[in-house]
Amino acid sequence: EAGVTQFPSHSVIEKGQTVTLRCDPISGHDNLYWYRRVMGKEIKFLLHFVKESKQDESGMPNNRFLAERTGGTYSTLKVQPAELEDSGVYFCASRRASSGNTIYFGEGSWLTVV
Amino acid sequence: AQSVTQLDSQVPVFEEAPVELRCNYSSSVSVYLFWYVQYPNQGLQLLLKYLSGSTLVKGINGFEAEFNKSQTSFHLRKPSVHISDTAEYFCAVSVPTSGAGSYQLTFGKGTKLSVIP
Repeated sequence: EAGVTQFPSHSVIEKGQTVTLRCDPISGHDNLYWYRRVMGKEIKFLLHFVKESKQDESGMPNNRFLAERTGGTYSTLKVQPAELEDSGVYFCASRRASSGNTIYFGEGSWLTVV
Repeated sequence: AQSVTQLDSQVPVFEEAPVELRCNYSSSVSVYLFWYVQYPNQGLQLLLKYLSGSTLVKGINGFEAEFNKSQTSFHLRKPSVHISDTAEYFCAVSVPTSGAGSYQLTFGKGTKLSVIP
């Protein structure tokens, strides 16, 4: 069974540009999460999807961030326009509700804004 | 709201020595507790978790952790470390919920374990 996959693994963009991160959860996982770790800080929750619906987006930092999960499968996280403080690692994670509360993480997308 | 404190940002230890990585949490309600590990250039991997029952939890790679409710701690231990244990370790909590609950995790800042040959 494939794990949570994220693309791209690394991205370097200029301030003001747009970046879209993609996450493919483990097959059959209805819950999908985005987390972020900014340099030197702790990993922080951004938002949570249940299938295609946003269950909790209380961690989204501002309206430059837009997350979608079309059809309840893969998810994208778009940053537009990117700012320097958006640099960090963006983790995607998934969970199958019927299998309990263990959340499985992807390898992260490393974003550098210059 | 919950919070997690990992007291040590870096822990160097010699190979085959024991190690303890400390984690304390704060919460007004009962929590689930987790330890995740991030090896260099890899994602977060679940080491072990405490949901209920026995307070001593065993995980992968020989790690174990003990839940202490009175001290609100969940320290991670290994009796003899290996070079391959060099990684960053994260303690996390979530609040048990029912239905379509979020189960979102609150993480500590992480502890970098360096195993010295």
